[in-house]
Amino acid sequence: AQSVTQPDIHITVSEGASLELRCNYSYGATPYLFWYVQSPGQGLQLLLKYFSGDTLVQGIKGFEAEFKRSQSSFNLRKPSVHWSDAAEYFCAVGALSGANNLFFGTGTRLTVIP
Amino acid sequence: EAGVAQSPRYKIIEKRQSVAFWCNPISGHATLYWYQQILGQGPKLLIQFQNNGVVDDSQLPKDRFSAERLKGVDSTLKIQPAKLEDSAVYLCASSTQDTQYFGPGTRLTVL
Repeated sequence: AQSVTQPDIHITVSEGASLELRCNYSYGATPYLFWYVQSPGQGLQLLLKYFSGDTLVQGIKGFEAEFKRSQSSFNLRKPSVHWSDAAEYFCAVGALSGANNLFFGTGTRLTVIP
Repeated sequence: EAGVAQSPRYKIIEKRQSVAFWCNPISGHATLYWYQQILGQGPKLLIQFQNNGVVDDSQLPKDRFSAERLKGVDSTLKIQPAKLEDSAVYLCASSTQDTQYFGPGTRLTVL
């Protein structure tokens, strides 16, 4: 069965510092992997996705993520955080075929301090 | 391109009352999903439609929750009767073949 673990419930970083949010997944086949961001009172916005090919994927707002099959990880990174990045971040894994519903992690809340 | 629309944005009801949520997906998206997001958790799938047919409703509490997508476009999700534990954000999403796009959600508070 699919599952996603985001081990960090809450992360605080200073504006301008680098960021890495961890995501580990469990899936029996090659997964679809996603990162979504949710600002307060808003729906989820897609940051980036990985299906196949290059294991380093670029997304919107300067985010990137690296797929590491050996570690079952898909960590999200940003070299320099902006105050507007403060939000909740969700990693999700989806199936390649059939009912392609997403399984979400519990999220990581990012706080950015000046 | 317009995104996924949902209404209402907020709803407060008392337990045992009924409530309905509406979703209008992105034009041309055949697949529509309803998720429940309880505070502090990630979204959990309730039901998935492909056009007007149900693909997966294994996580839908069918004794109180129902959903329909009669013409393969708009969808409604209903709860009757509501319980305190139904307090959550209800998210609607629609998808192309491989990516889901989410609406802003409806925040339900059951008192």
